[in-house]
Amino acid sequence: DQQVKQNSPSLSVQEGRISILNCDYTNSMFDYFLWYKKYPAEGPTFLISISSIKDKNEDGRFTVFLNKSAKHLSLHIVPSQPGDSAVYFCAASDTQGGSEKLVFGKGTKLTVNP
Amino acid sequence: EPEVTQTPSHQVTQMGQEVILRCVPISNHLYFYWYRQILGQKVEFLVSFYNNEISEKSEIFDDQFSVERPDGSNFTLKIRSTKLEDSAMYFCASSEYRALPGNTIYFGEGSWLTVV
Repeated sequence: DQQVKQNSPSLSVQEGRISILNCDYTNSMFDYFLWYKKYPAEGPTFLISISSIKDKNEDGRFTVFLNKSAKHLSLHIVPSQPGDSAVYFCAASDTQGGSEKLVFGKGTKLTVNP
Repeated sequence: EPEVTQTPSHQVTQMGQEVILRCVPISNHLYFYWYRQILGQKVEFLVSFYNNEISEKSEIFDDQFSVERPDGSNFTLKIRSTKLEDSAMYFCASSEYRALPGNTIYFGEGSWLTVV
């Protein structure tokens, strides 16, 4: 049951460059999407979210893009910093259906090299 | 910044034993959650809790699991008879309002449960 897929287990980028993390989903009922960042031995930390009525949401260095027809979203980090090195989880929810459950992807480990 | 705290950070238990994982949500939060992550797997929803009752639960949350808010500050997850496959990191989370959409769910650092 992989309703949310992050097909790249890892990504390595140079400091200052753009990091692009991708996420695909299969459930067309999902209408709210979130990105969480997780450091080792810590819980997931909320980064940014987007509702299905939008196609872009920006917060500082972080931008999330949503392509509903392709059931695809991506997180752009510009410029990338070494402190961004962490595991990034994409999550989705069917809020119109009344659910508060977040369905997570398996995560992408981002390494930003100085 | 206020945070969700969880105890213990790590517990090793014998198969068949009962385990209670404890959480102190952020003080003004009203919605509480448990998630778990088996090593190498994705984070999975277990249960949400509001107004002293379960509001939603997953297929994983069977009769072996229960949640309780015994004293207005703690939020506990009990596993009655642990199985090897219950070994996982268990995350407690809370939010001030109904979490979605628009509001933030804050996660604790997790309790690592090892069943031997």
